[in-house]
Amino acid sequence: GAVVSQHPSWVICKSGTSVKIECRSLDFQATTMFWYRQFPKQSLMLMATSNEGSKATYEQGVEKDKFLINHASLTLSTLTVTSAHPEDSSFYICSARGLAGRHTGELFFGEGSRLTVL
Amino acid sequence: EDQVTQSPEALRLQEGESSSLNCSYTVSGLRGLFWYRQDPGKGPEFLFTLYSAGEEKEKERLKATLTKKESFLHITAPKPEDSATYLCAVRGGNNRKLIWGLGTSLAVNP
Repeated sequence: GAVVSQHPSWVICKSGTSVKIECRSLDFQATTMFWYRQFPKQSLMLMATSNEGSKATYEQGVEKDKFLINHASLTLSTLTVTSAHPEDSSFYICSARGLAGRHTGELFFGEGSRLTVL
Repeated sequence: EDQVTQSPEALRLQEGESSSLNCSYTVSGLRGLFWYRQDPGKGPEFLFTLYSAGEEKEKERLKATLTKKESFLHITAPKPEDSATYLCAVRGGNNRKLIWGLGTSLAVNP
């Protein structure tokens, strides 16, 4: 299957600092990438949809000024958590949708990033 | 309202004991039902996509089936390495977003 790489896999930061998480599609081009947040024993919560070359579309209740998303190329999207607070501690996962071909419609996920804000 | 319900919430099996996981859904105009496997601290791993009732797909010890109301993930002679959370998601015609179930946590004892 297609490969999506996410980095870093875990990060610890101080309250008030900003953290950037990268998501790369390694063997295919992804015009659309998705950012999810997952709490323990809960399913995936879509935060925003990232489209290459345009502004991200945020889900209701997600602060766009706090969770900055940039999708500068067909293989890279970044999520920056600004002025992090302890309640931002969570597991963040990116995904990319396959384009035409055998991956059509399927989502491929990165390994996830565990953020802990002290 | 589009909805996905997975059952059971948790399942414990002995190695070799076959069983099935259920994913019931209500959606307007199904455009795909997806099964994923998620290991602790990892992102979900794609398993199957099903598009129409009657469709079946297999991969090693896993077999996914689909009806108009639900999907089953059958696990034949499971091994301890099959232990994971299995997630189901659907995409409907009115909404391009995936609707996720809460998952079934599977534990296979040796």
